[in-house]
Order: sequence, then structure tokens, then C-alpha cells
Amino acid sequence: NAGVIQTPRHKVTGKGQEATLWCEPISGHSAVFWYRQTIVQGLEFLTYFRNQAPIDDSGMPKERFSAQMPNQSHSTLKIQSTQPQDSAVYLCASSLEGWGFNQDTQYFGPGTRLLVL
Amino acid sequence: GDSVTQTEGQVTVSESKSLIINCTYSTTSIAYPNLFWYVRYPGEGLQLLLKVITAGQKGSSRGFEATYNKETTSFHLQKASVQESDSAVYYCALGNTGANTGKLTFGHGTILRVHP
Repeated sequence: NAGVIQTPRHKVTGKGQEATLWCEPISGHSAVFWYRQTIVQGLEFLTYFRNQAPIDDSGMPKERFSAQMPNQSHSTLKIQSTQPQDSAVYLCASSLEGWGFNQDTQYFGPGTRLLVL
Repeated sequence: GDSVTQTEGQVTVSESKSLIINCTYSTTSIAYPNLFWYVRYPGEGLQLLLKVITAGQKGSSRGFEATYNKETTSFHLQKASVQESDSAVYYCALGNTGANTGKLTFGHGTILRVHP
């Protein structure tokens, strides 16, 4: 089991450019989560898919950020017109089901470090 | 909303000494959240250390323990005798068990440095 795979591991973009981050969840996991980590805000929830359907995007910035899960083997987080404040480590996690009284363990990927110049 | 507050910054402990990292939580949306401690060892990804889903219960792993205290809304992490290999960043997290979400709300993390 390779764990959650995230690519690229590092990405540098210029202000105003687009950035697409990829996540491959653990095979058999139906839940995928995206989080963002910065020094100031810490680890913040962004969005959650279950069986490829978007379930909770309450943490997603309303503008410029979008996430998709076109199939069970990968999810993407896209940031349009990147700004310096988007610089962060973006973490993807997957779990068996994702919700319920007894939450399944979320397994995290290594993260993508995004730097916007 | 949900929030988690834990011991800020860095904690330095000598090997074989005891450790406590404080964690308190607040939630307005769920009566009984799940509580977690995650850890990031140097060069590694974030991984689950322990989890407790029932108030009053204790979780344990790798010599660490944490008790889910609903009265004080706390979930402090303790270890009786730390080792140098415990040096890592520790995150307390609250799991929202409400319908249609499974998100975790994390504290800011506590850096633990264990001196030999």
C-alpha cells in the first residue's frame, strides 16, 4: 500500500497563474479530504468528497479555489489566479468512509508545498 | 463552530521525564465529537497517534495516553517517560461527527523536543 499520493511535492507559481494539485487516495477508500496548512492559520479543512461526490466544501475560499474528484482514484484542487497568500502546504487525506459516530482514521499524504511569488 | 487549543510552541523535556501537552476543545455543532492526537515525525507525514470516541474513555498508543473529558472539554496528551524518538510535532484534533461531514479541526501543533 503506497499510502496517499500527492503530486507535485513542490510547486512554485507566479502571481496570477493557475495551480493544480493532485491527490491519489488509498485504494478502497471512499472519502477524500483536502486541508491547507500555514504558519498563521495552522491546519484548516477545505473540502470533502464521499464516493466522488462533493459533500462539504465549507472551508473552501469562495473565489479562485475549486476541487473535483472525477474518478475514485484521484482528486484535484485547482487555484486560479494564485496570490501570495495562497502559499501553503496543501494536504490530502483519505479514509474508508469518512463520517459517522465513529470516524474512520484519515490517512494523510505528504502534502504539496505551494509557493506563490 | 469548532475549535481546538493546545499547548503553544515548543516543549522541551529530558529523556525519561514525564510529558503533558494540554488540549481543550470547543464545539457548538455536535454533542459528542471524536477526539484525536496526530503526530508528524521528522521527515514523515501526519499520522494518527490515538483516537477516542466516547467521553470518559482513555486512548493509548506508543506509551502515550489521553482521556476524553467532556466536563472540562479537554483531551490532554501524557507520557510517563519520554524517549528521544518521541521528538515530533503533535496535533490535537476534533472530529465532527455530524451528518454530511467528517472534517477534522486541528490545534496549531506542539513541537516536542526530547533531550538525551
